[in-house]
Amino acid sequence: AQTVTQSQPEMSVQEAETVTLSCTYDTSESDYYLFWYKQPPSRQMILVIRQEAYKQQNATENRFSVNFQKAAKSFSLKISDSQLGDAAMYFCAYFTSGTYKYIFGTGTRLKVLA
Amino acid sequence: EAGVAQSPRYKIIEKRQSVAFWCNPISGHATLYWYQQILGQGPKLLIQFQNNGVVDDSQLPKDRFSAERLKGVDSTLKIQPAKLEDSAVYLCASNMGGQETQYFGPGTRLLVL
Repeated sequence: AQTVTQSQPEMSVQEAETVTLSCTYDTSESDYYLFWYKQPPSRQMILVIRQEAYKQQNATENRFSVNFQKAAKSFSLKISDSQLGDAAMYFCAYFTSGTYKYIFGTGTRLKVLA
Repeated sequence: EAGVAQSPRYKIIEKRQSVAFWCNPISGHATLYWYQQILGQGPKLLIQFQNNGVVDDSQLPKDRFSAERLKGVDSTLKIQPAKLEDSAVYLCASNMGGQETQYFGPGTRLLVL
């Protein structure tokens, strides 16, 4: 069975600094997708970034980028130039097109210090 | 384009009462998901619909939870009777068939007293 692990329950970063959130997963499939979702205190889950497993190039979205290591089954999120609005819960998620099912990690709470 | 709509946003009930949540997915999205998110945890899938058919309800407590998606558009999730441990945020999400990214609604926060 597929699993997603986020080993950092909470992280803090100084405003304008860079922080990396970790995610590892376990799967025997070769075709899948990985996501990072952000959930601010208002609880609306928002897509931050996605990565297709068949792509070797790491995805980037403005200040957000990932380090996708397929062999190691690692998918970390780097946030550059952290802003106060980045404070939220961040969830790593795995998706397989075989079942159209998503599996979420337990989340990392990110605090941004002014 | 309108996002996923959910109502109510908040609900407080006493244990053993019943409650229903409504979700309207993004227009054209064939797949609809209901998740339960307990405070401090990630979303847990309760049920997944493809159009009006159930794809996965293996984690739905069927003795008290039920869900339907008549006509393959909006969906209702019901709890009857509610227990204290049902206190959580209930998230609805949808995605288009053949697409991988799912979009979430704002959620319904349920408190069972």
